[in-house]
Amino acid sequence: EADIYQTPRYLVIGTGKKITLECSQTMGHDKMYWYQQDPGMELHLIHYSYGVNSTEKGDLSSESTVSRIRTEHFPLTLESARPSHTSQYLCASSEGQANTGELFFGEGSRLTVL
Amino acid sequence: AQSVTQLDSQVPVFEEAPVELRCNYSSSVSVYLFWYVQYPNQGLQLLLKYLSGSTLVKGINGFEAEFNKSQTSFHLRKPSVHISDTAEYFCAVRNFGNEKLTFGTGTRLTIIP
Repeated sequence: EADIYQTPRYLVIGTGKKITLECSQTMGHDKMYWYQQDPGMELHLIHYSYGVNSTEKGDLSSESTVSRIRTEHFPLTLESARPSHTSQYLCASSEGQANTGELFFGEGSRLTVL
Repeated sequence: AQSVTQLDSQVPVFEEAPVELRCNYSSSVSVYLFWYVQYPNQGLQLLLKYLSGSTLVKGINGFEAEFNKSQTSFHLRKPSVHISDTAEYFCAVRNFGNEKLTFGTGTRLTIIP
């Protein structure tokens, strides 16, 4: 059973609202990631962090921002949501050392912007 | 650069029949390979992984995959599927020395009773 949690699971909001998707893990992993997933499309890495106060943009450009103030917490924020942000957002983590790439995923946050 | 191609977007299979989900990768260096499964309304979980050694890798729920370096493939197989195997399956690749995992577009496996 994964020890990585995402809230909310589902969110429907209007255009222009600010939203924060929460992600927490209890495994003590150094590395955390946000992926964006659309139906029939590959998962796209939008943000990652290799430790506290370390954040980087991923392969897919995103208007969202992230922060990593604590090891266990990696929230994603959209300052002004638009319909184009409608998607599923998956948070993941992995061990920092001897990392062979195995990711542990949360259950996802499905965002719908009207 | 690394990339993954999953040749089939959807695969319908009768219950108790065998299944193969295809995955090909592209990389100029040695790789780690993974299969993840995503059940409806859930996140992804690791099914199996190839790091080194034996090219036949066994995973959870009776799945196995074979790494074929000459064909740059990592196909997933199960000899007899069950209704509970209905899910989306993602192949992923990571180059040695590269922190990032690249995913394929996924294959939706539908089991027909």
